[in-house]
Amino acid sequence: AQRVTQPEKLLSVFKGAPVELKCNYSYSGSPELFWYVQYSRQRLQLLLRHISRESIKGFTADLNKGETSFHLKKPFAQEEDSAMYYCALSGRNNFNKFYFGSGTKLNVKP
Amino acid sequence: GAGVSQSPRYKVAKRGQDVALRCDPISGHVSLFWYQQALGQGPEFLTYFQNEAQLDKSGLPSDRFFAERPEGSVSTLKIQRTQQEDSAVYLCASSSTGNSNQPQHFGDGTRLSIL
Repeated sequence: AQRVTQPEKLLSVFKGAPVELKCNYSYSGSPELFWYVQYSRQRLQLLLRHISRESIKGFTADLNKGETSFHLKKPFAQEEDSAMYYCALSGRNNFNKFYFGSGTKLNVKP
Repeated sequence: GAGVSQSPRYKVAKRGQDVALRCDPISGHVSLFWYQQALGQGPEFLTYFQNEAQLDKSGLPSDRFFAERPEGSVSTLKIQRTQQEDSAVYLCASSSTGNSNQPQHFGDGTRLSIL
C-alpha cells in the first residue's frame, strides 16, 4: 500500500542550526517525491521535487530508494523557514494523485 | 487568474444540509484533484479529473459525495445530507498535464464546518 510517513509532528531548532525533516514512503512502483510548504495563512506551495535535483531557499532533498526516504535538509535554518512541511508521493500507478504525510511543523527560534 | 481559486473560503452548514464547493483551476490545466484535510492531518485524496472525465473517485468517502467538471474547467464538489464528520478543509489542485512528475498547484481551500 502507498504510504508517506513523517514521524515528527513538531521540530524546534534555533536560528542557524541545521534542520532535517524526515519523510519515509512505501510505494509499489517508481515514485515521484515532492515537498510542499505551507506558511502561516498561505496556501500549500511546492518547495521542491526530487526529479529536479534543485535547491530551493537553501533546502535540498535526496531520494534514497534503498531506505525509501526523502528527507528535507537545510544547513542553517532561518526564522522565515517556520512553517508546516508536507512530504508527498505520486506515481503513474495511481493516476498521479498525491499521497501526503501528516506534516511536520518547523519552528525556528531566534 | 494566476492561481487556483476556490469558493467559498468558509462554509457553515447544519447537519443534513447539502453544500456545493467550487474550484476554478489554472487556465489550461488538464488535471484537477480534490483533497480533504482534517485538522492536524495531511490532505487526503478524494477524486481526480482529466479534462471532463472523472478517472478516479476512489477517495470519496460515501455516496453523499459527488464531483463534476462538465466542461473540463471549473469543478464542483457536492456533499449531500452533510454530517459532522464532513467538517474539514477541502482543497482543490490542478496540474498542467497528466504526468506523475508534474507538481500540483493548490487553492486556498474551503473550510467546511457542520453544526
